Amino acid sequence: NAGVTQTPKFQVLKTGQSMTLQCAQDMNHNSMYWYRQDPGMGLRLIYYSASEGTTDKGEVPNGYNVSRLNKREFSLRLESAAPSQTSVYFCASRVPQDTQYFGPGTRLTVL
Amino acid sequence: AQSVTQLGSHVSVSEGALVLLRCNYSSSVPPYLFWYVQYPNQGLQLLLKYTTGATLVKGINGFEAEFKKSETSFHLTKPSAHMSDAAEYFCAVSGGGNFNKFYFGSGTKLNVKP
Repeated sequence: NAGVTQTPKFQVLKTGQSMTLQCAQDMNHNSMYWYRQDPGMGLRLIYYSASEGTTDKGEVPNGYNVSRLNKREFSLRLESAAPSQTSVYFCASRVPQDTQYFGPGTRLTVL
Repeated sequence: AQSVTQLGSHVSVSEGALVLLRCNYSSSVPPYLFWYVQYPNQGLQLLLKYTTGATLVKGINGFEAEFKKSETSFHLTKPSAHMSDAAEYFCAVSGGGNFNKFYFGSGTKLNVKP
């Protein structure tokens, strides 16, 4: 039982490049989330998916897109990366009205 | 919209001393409340949670928190700090019309001095 897994762990991009962050969970959770963590700002919600086939914007969705591929997988795409998107990205999943379980994070640097 | 305020971005205590990390929330209805801990270069791990029932909740590693509705607070305490408690702690709230969303505080870094 791996919990929530994220790939890659580290990534360096140049401004304007695109990439997709992958997330998968094996806990059969309906809800999945993408956050970014920046120093002194806690975690900010980018997008979430309450169930397979649905996605909704969070606090900071601009510059990102998501795909809920199936119940297990929820990907985050940066179409044209900007230095302001340098951050640590966390994926999480949860059962309804209960705890979120977090992945180990992806450290992204945009030059 | 909900919000979470953590007073003190850095807290320093001596080993063996009381740990008190403060969290206040704003919500129009009773929320679900959580404390998470993050060790360097790791993801977040649940310490404890309040959903319903007893307002004093106990978590892992000797931590506990009390939900005080009248004060809209959910402060985290531990009677005796240990060196291994040094980490960043986040308070989070869920509910108030949308239980799908979580709102996190900005975090408190706990330093434990020998």
